[in-house]
Amino acid sequence: GDSVTQMEGPVTLSEEAFLTINCTYTATGYPSLFWYVQYPGEGLQLLLKATKADDKGSNKGFEATYRKETTSFHLEKGSVQVSDSAVYFCALSPWGGYNKLIFGAGTRLAVHP
Amino acid sequence: DTGVSQDPRHKITKRGQNVTFRCDPISEHNRLYWYRQTLGQGPEFLTYFQNEAQLEKSRLLSDRFSAERPKGSFSTLEIQRTEQGDSAMYLCASSDRDVYNEQFFGPGTRLTVL
Repeated sequence: GDSVTQMEGPVTLSEEAFLTINCTYTATGYPSLFWYVQYPGEGLQLLLKATKADDKGSNKGFEATYRKETTSFHLEKGSVQVSDSAVYFCALSPWGGYNKLIFGAGTRLAVHP
Repeated sequence: DTGVSQDPRHKITKRGQNVTFRCDPISEHNRLYWYRQTLGQGPEFLTYFQNEAQLEKSRLLSDRFSAERPKGSFSTLEIQRTEQGDSAMYLCASSDRDVYNEQFFGPGTRLTVL
């Protein structure tokens, strides 16, 4: 079945460092891809999305490009802030289904001043 | 509208008891989802409603679990004869977009089974 694999955390960075969180997926057809973020004490929030190959999703300085040839959707940010500390989840919505989300295990990011 | 709400936020129960959770989606959303999240893992899909019709159920949803959305608005998730393995965060999400599936999540109900 469809699945998502993302890099294990925690990822610890200094403020203004470059961030990459790797995400790869297994799916049939053309799934939609998402990054969700969970800040401490808060619910899941959609960060960005991409619905077809080569689409780039972006929001709040974060970017991810839908790469069908490598089945990847890596999350990047050029300069992280302490306020970016959170758990990040990569997810896919299977092609042709009822749009349920299949999540990766999450990657915790800690940014230090 | 203030978003998806869930009640209660926390529930502690003894093994063998029944529990019921409520989810109120964003008012104009016709799609509603339930997920379960255990510590250190991503959410896992449980079931999906479009209006009042339950259209998909995960194999995770054993016979002890039942979900309803009687009037296509709020939904309830009931767990009968709870087991310690049911301890988790139960998340509700809603959506009104067919193509891009932008789901909005509630804060969750944390269940602890003693």
